[in-house]
Amino acid sequence: ETGVTQSPTHLIKTRGQQVTLRCSSQSGHNTVSWYQQALGQGPQFIFQYYREEENGRGNFPPRFSGLQFPNYSSELNVNALELDDSALYLCASSLEQGWWETQYFGPGTRLLVL
Amino acid sequence: QQQVKQSPQSLIVQKGGISIINCAYENTAFDYFPWYQQFPGKGPALLIAIRPDVSEKKEGRFTISFNKSAKQFSLHIMDSQPGDSATYFCAASNEASGSRLTFGEGTQLTVNP
Repeated sequence: ETGVTQSPTHLIKTRGQQVTLRCSSQSGHNTVSWYQQALGQGPQFIFQYYREEENGRGNFPPRFSGLQFPNYSSELNVNALELDDSALYLCASSLEQGWWETQYFGPGTRLLVL
Repeated sequence: QQQVKQSPQSLIVQKGGISIINCAYENTAFDYFPWYQQFPGKGPALLIAIRPDVSEKKEGRFTISFNKSAKQFSLHIMDSQPGDSATYFCAASNEASGSRLTFGEGTQLTVNP
């Protein structure tokens, strides 16, 4: 086990709704990244937070937003859900933000948008 | 834009055989190439990683081969076991992108007993 937990494990929403996904990083890990993994695809980088500040963003619209808290927890918020948002959402934590840092992934939250 | 291309999409190997998964990248700025293993219901877990200053790295039954001029790298699993059955992802990053990973599409490996 990586020590990274995510909640909920599964979630069903309807188009247009808003959703909040949660992640608890390993204690002491200052960096958290969020990835979207569509069925049968590799994870796609959404954004990264370092010490509570956004520190890089992938090709995702502004309706994807996040927060990182001092207690090593973080949130991914998605507004105005679309059918294509259905995916497994993964968070990954690492000690610092360097490229050499090992990222520890949580088990993910599977979101289904109807 | 897919910057890391992975093949094959699926692979079936007999127990004791060699599994080979290939990746090719476009961005010459990439300088860190990890491989991740993902079991159903779990998140990806780092398996082995290489930097382009070496052409090969071996850890137990797992070996990465790296060809900088061809912009290709591959994962070799020797003596494949049924417990190796999982999805494997290659990835890449560089200093400028920090810990942001660009993943390949994944290879579903099945090792038959």
